[in-house]
Amino acid sequence: GQNIDQPTEMTATEGAIVQINCTYQTSGFNGLFWYQQHAGEAPTFLSYNVLDGLEEKGRFSSFLSRSKGYSYLLLKELQMKDSASYLCAVKNSNYQLIWGAGTKLIIKP
Amino acid sequence: IAGITQAPTSQILAAGRRMTLRCTQDMRHNAMYWYRQDLGLGLRLIHYSNTAGTTGKGEVPDGYSVSRANTDDFPLTLASAVPSQTSVYFCASSERTSGAYTQYFGPGTRLTVL
Repeated sequence: GQNIDQPTEMTATEGAIVQINCTYQTSGFNGLFWYQQHAGEAPTFLSYNVLDGLEEKGRFSSFLSRSKGYSYLLLKELQMKDSASYLCAVKNSNYQLIWGAGTKLIIKP
Repeated sequence: IAGITQAPTSQILAAGRRMTLRCTQDMRHNAMYWYRQDLGLGLRLIHYSNTAGTTGKGEVPDGYSVSRANTDDFPLTLASAVPSQTSVYFCASSERTSGAYTQYFGPGTRLTVL
């Protein structure tokens, strides 16, 4: 079967750094996406990785290791507005996105 | 309009009733998708359309139907609603299905079936 695993909830302090992990097993691989979803809102795109390595975009970075079926999202200089759920999704061989259940990130002052 | 709109925003529906959730995009994207999101579960694909005139079944298609008569609209119909269809429904679109093409989401419809 196809499976995306990520922690259910994480807590971090404002100004700190947090790493959200995602492991996956899918039928084929055509890229990994990270989305942010604030409570009651729609998911919004954060990052895309298809090759191994780190992609940096401002305070957010995303890493991929295809051989390990592993990715992480790194958030630096945390702000209160970063309190949200972070969704990991893999595009499989049928070009369909398989989604993890999301990691709820709680930022404390 | 800009992006994707969905209607209604929320709805309470009696079991057994028929309901159509509307989705419209103005980005001229080829591909469109319907997902449901339930607490503790990831987004699950209900139906998709790679281009106008074609549709396909996703992971959880039973009890739902879709049509794609033109590029902009992708309605989702529940023929006879059941309580297990209580969920938040998101419509999404992407320029293409392959590779790095990002999916953009509408604001969602919160549906309660009693």
